[in-house]
Amino acid sequence: NAGVTQTPKFQVLKTGQSMTLQCAQDMNHEYMSWYRQDPGMGLRLIHYSVGAGITDQGEVPNGYNVSRSTTEDFPLRLLSAAPSQTSVYFCASSWGQGEVNTEAFFGQGTRLTVV
Amino acid sequence: AQKITQTQPGMFVQEKEAVTLDCTYDTSDQSYGLFWYKQPSSGEMIFLIYQGSYDEQNATEGRYSLNFQKARKSANLVISASQLGDSAMYFCAMREDYNTDKLIFGTGTRLQVFP
Repeated sequence: NAGVTQTPKFQVLKTGQSMTLQCAQDMNHEYMSWYRQDPGMGLRLIHYSVGAGITDQGEVPNGYNVSRSTTEDFPLRLLSAAPSQTSVYFCASSWGQGEVNTEAFFGQGTRLTVV
Repeated sequence: AQKITQTQPGMFVQEKEAVTLDCTYDTSDQSYGLFWYKQPSSGEMIFLIYQGSYDEQNATEGRYSLNFQKARKSANLVISASQLGDSAMYFCAMREDYNTDKLIFGTGTRLQVFP
């Protein structure tokens, strides 16, 4: 069972470079999200999607873009990397469908360092 | 504003003893869900337990139980018979919008179990 798959697991970028963090899920979940985890701050929501073609901003969206062309994939793009974007990034998915009690399934995380 | 507060940055517990990790939340919604996740040193996010705002019984999952006090807006995690493998970060999270899977996380509690 693959669940939620994130690639890459580790990445080092230079300031100003762009890159895409990949996220794919094979559970046919409608809802997908991206979070970042910084020391002492827990996880914060970057962007989320409630279905193919529908995305919206979370708490910390600046510097990131997303798109959702298929149910399975939800890539996160860093437009011009900055040291402040050094973090661990998690992709998550859930059934949603109008229920609050559906757990979110998380990918393994991507540790990104911007130098 | 919606908020999750975990006031214990770190906790120690002896193996086989019980431990309570505190979580308080703030919301004006009547319908919401509360979750606990475990993050071991390997980094993945593992779902532990869920409590719905309308659930009258406290949730239990094996050695995990949730002490839900709605009037006090608290949802404390109780781990019974602690094991060395329980050493990890523990996050409390809330979902209050059932039309998305947006989660609000606390800052976490690092639990260390010693022999």
